[in-house]
Amino acid sequence: AQTVTQSQPEMSVQEAETVTLSCTYDTSESDYYLFWYKQPPSRQMILVIRQEAYKQQNATENRFSVNFQKAAKSFSLKISDSQLGDAAMYFCAYRRGNQFYFGTGTSLTVIP
Amino acid sequence: NAGVTQTPKFQVLKTGQSMTLQCAQDMNHEYMSWYRQDPGMGLRLIHYSVGAGITDQGEVPNGYNVSRSTTEDFPLRLLSAAPSQTSVYFCASSYGVGYRKSSTDTQYFGPGTRLTVL
Repeated sequence: AQTVTQSQPEMSVQEAETVTLSCTYDTSESDYYLFWYKQPPSRQMILVIRQEAYKQQNATENRFSVNFQKAAKSFSLKISDSQLGDAAMYFCAYRRGNQFYFGTGTSLTVIP
Repeated sequence: NAGVTQTPKFQVLKTGQSMTLQCAQDMNHEYMSWYRQDPGMGLRLIHYSVGAGITDQGEVPNGYNVSRSTTEDFPLRLLSAAPSQTSVYFCASSYGVGYRKSSTDTQYFGPGTRLTVL
């Protein structure tokens, strides 16, 4: 069974606009961690943002923020003021103990 | 501080050949892991280690062996390569599980190895 689901294989956004990438996950645990990773064409995996499940407050890193809905098991990523350099594949990931589970990714295109 | 390094960057094998993908980190991380990335399937965990001498299976361990003799190194071995093992392989590391510091549960990834098995 798929633990992490990203239902949007592809998304596009105009430069300077805002876009939201969706992620849902399946768990019966109460203590876990969630991540968004960016993978540009260079193939390097880059951490964008992380969220601890025990924290109510949504994580924010500059132009990147998350909407963490624990009851709904939803963890969406909002990118504000999109830039050309944001174009990449984005992966949502869930950590339970020693195992990480990744979604299938969303390919983001930024239109100039 | 090199972070996580992987060698080689590219490799082509014939079916049945063996090889070892190398991974090293210089951050004194306890946790190390190997993933494979296939189109449309995201990253899937192959094996992981929580410290020297301790390894365990992930989601897709068949066809792969690992060992962890030092904190720094975590090689992945393909004993008899098959075309189904054609993929991009990533090594990653992090501090141990269970610490509630903001940086400790984040994984840092190597640059990847593209492996083709003919």
